[in-house]
Amino acid sequence: DTAVSQTPKYLVTQMGNDKSIKCEQNLGHDTMYWYKQDSKKFLKIMFSYNNKELIINETVPNRFSPKSPDKAHLNLHINSLELGDSAVYFCASSPNQGPVGGYTFGSGTRLTVV
Amino acid sequence: QQQVKQSPQSLIVQKGGIPIINCAYENTAFDYFPWYQQFPGKGPALLIAIRPDVSEKKEGRFTISFNKSAKQFSLHIMDSQPGDSATYFCAASRTTDKLIFGTGTRLQVFP
Repeated sequence: DTAVSQTPKYLVTQMGNDKSIKCEQNLGHDTMYWYKQDSKKFLKIMFSYNNKELIINETVPNRFSPKSPDKAHLNLHINSLELGDSAVYFCASSPNQGPVGGYTFGSGTRLTVV
Repeated sequence: QQQVKQSPQSLIVQKGGIPIINCAYENTAFDYFPWYQQFPGKGPALLIAIRPDVSEKKEGRFTISFNKSAKQFSLHIMDSQPGDSATYFCAASRTTDKLIFGTGTRLQVFP
């Protein structure tokens, strides 16, 4: 049973399109995150939700909109995709509102915008 | 603003060697310092973590050394194996805040 699962694993799309990435965790964790890993492997937090409530919203273009229908799910919708959005997007979860105990990451969604 | 600086960017060692990866942080309010290991095609996974009240922590072949006054910490991998080849990230945060990751170190261990 995969602890944090993301779909799709790969996403290739044209500029200007709208796409969504889904994430589900079966660990019973209260907090979920979206991280972006660029081509240089740099990991940057985008959003964090605790029990369906948005608690971290970094400086991310408002074309990116997260949604948490319940504490086990956190989806990411991206409007009007741009070339610079190409990256690997990781979903993660943690037991509490903080990193102690470790984040459990999904395997990532590689987004390529052409 | 880069708050966690990591070096080197890449590291090549032979099997049995002891690679050392260094990190430095700026924010003195940080009180949680984990290391994550990432294999190609996978998400990062927690390897080991330390709090600032101790200067060293060992888990198996992995050791964190922590120098609070210098605001530096490092990861040592004893008796490194080819299976340790991965990208390693240091990170830092306050315990109730977001993790700030370093830029990563790609380690290659050759037989």
